[in-house]
Amino acid sequence: DAKTTQPNSMESNEEEPVHLPCNHSTISGTDYIHWYRQLPSQGPEYVIHGLTSNVNNRMASLAIAEDRKSSTLILHRATLRDAAVYYCIPPQGGSEKLVFGKGTKLTVNP
Amino acid sequence: GAVVSQHPSWVICKSGTSVKIECRSLDFQATTMFWYRQFPKQSLMLMATSNEGSKATYEQGVEKDKFLINHASLTLSTLTVTSAHPEDSSFYICSASKREWYEQYFGPGTRLTVT
Repeated sequence: DAKTTQPNSMESNEEEPVHLPCNHSTISGTDYIHWYRQLPSQGPEYVIHGLTSNVNNRMASLAIAEDRKSSTLILHRATLRDAAVYYCIPPQGGSEKLVFGKGTKLTVNP
Repeated sequence: GAVVSQHPSWVICKSGTSVKIECRSLDFQATTMFWYRQFPKQSLMLMATSNEGSKATYEQGVEKDKFLINHASLTLSTLTVTSAHPEDSSFYICSASKREWYEQYFGPGTRLTVT
């Protein structure tokens, strides 16, 4: 199963863009990359997923490296409500299971 | 996005008693539901995967006789913590998905405290 590496924490200022990196060098060619986030004392929330090309939705953008060994979650304008732990989750060999690592704790400063 | 609810949001029980937690998908029929546990300052740990009408599949190290999971319909799954002990105190979170979806939708969690 693929594994991921993320920084433990990052800081941003309100209304500035945030780039959250994830390394997934062992991912296979047909595996999707998923991102979730968890606000304090809440259940996780789906953010975005992608396979090869860059993806956009109302919450964020996902930039996937050409070799697929890394990806970056982009929050275009961080708000205080974006303060959360962001998880880059590798697929588990075609299974629906999500295996959560430690994620990146994002702090947004006003 | 799809909505998943959990009940209760928090519960306190005495050691040795059993507690049931409900997970409902409110606006979709979930083919699969998942149960997670999260201890303070730690990440989520998957406990089991539940498909409607079939037995749950438990992760390694999770006692199936202690954590009873029932997925009786496409919108409801329950987790019963039997003979709870203080070490079972945790944040229990469920999620739900449909086979054709890539994403899971999570409930708000249930905080269990065993005294």
